[in-house]
Amino acid sequence: NAGVTQTPKFQVLKTGQSMTLQCAQDMNHNSMYWYRQDPGMGLRLIYYSASEGTTDKGEVPNGYNVSRLNKREFSLRLESAAPSQTSVYFCASSALSTVNYGYTFGSGTRLTVV
Amino acid sequence: DQQVKQNSPSLSVQEGRISILNCDYTNSMFDYFLWYKKYPAEGPTFLISISSIKDKNEDGRFTVFLNKSAKHLSLHIVPSQPGDSAVYFCAAADSWGKLQFGAGTQVVVTP
Repeated sequence: NAGVTQTPKFQVLKTGQSMTLQCAQDMNHNSMYWYRQDPGMGLRLIYYSASEGTTDKGEVPNGYNVSRLNKREFSLRLESAAPSQTSVYFCASSALSTVNYGYTFGSGTRLTVV
Repeated sequence: DQQVKQNSPSLSVQEGRISILNCDYTNSMFDYFLWYKKYPAEGPTFLISISSIKDKNEDGRFTVFLNKSAKHLSLHIVPSQPGDSAVYFCAAADSWGKLQFGAGTQVVVTP
């Protein structure tokens, strides 16, 4: 049972380069999320998709775009990477009917922008 | 504007003793409160939750207490074990199921 799968696990980008972080879940969850984790800041929501076909901004959306490709997949794109986007990125999914169990997270993508 | 705050970045506790982690929130509309545990190089994993209509929930060695009037919750781990060394995140869910997280508390359990 894979749960939430993120690729790649590590990435180094030069300032100005673009890349897409991939996320897929096999739990038939409706909702998917992208968070970034920075020291002293906890997990901050970048974008989320409450259901297939919808996406909404979270707390820190600037510099990112997302695509909910289908029910399973939710990708995060950095069009022009900046050093401030150096972070660990987590994808998560949830079934709204089980909010008391929270989200299932992937293992993260560690991104460094130089 | 952080609505969920964990003011202690770290906690050191002896094996066998109680660990108490604290969390404060500002939004009275939060429906559920959750604790997540995170090991290095892994994603956070769900630990325990509590509904806003309850004041205590227990699961084995883990107990979460909620004081709605003070907008405060705490996680008690008794007894603490070396495998409990991790970062613990407090989170709060709004009625749409979106989670807001605190900054985390690094727990170190010493022999």
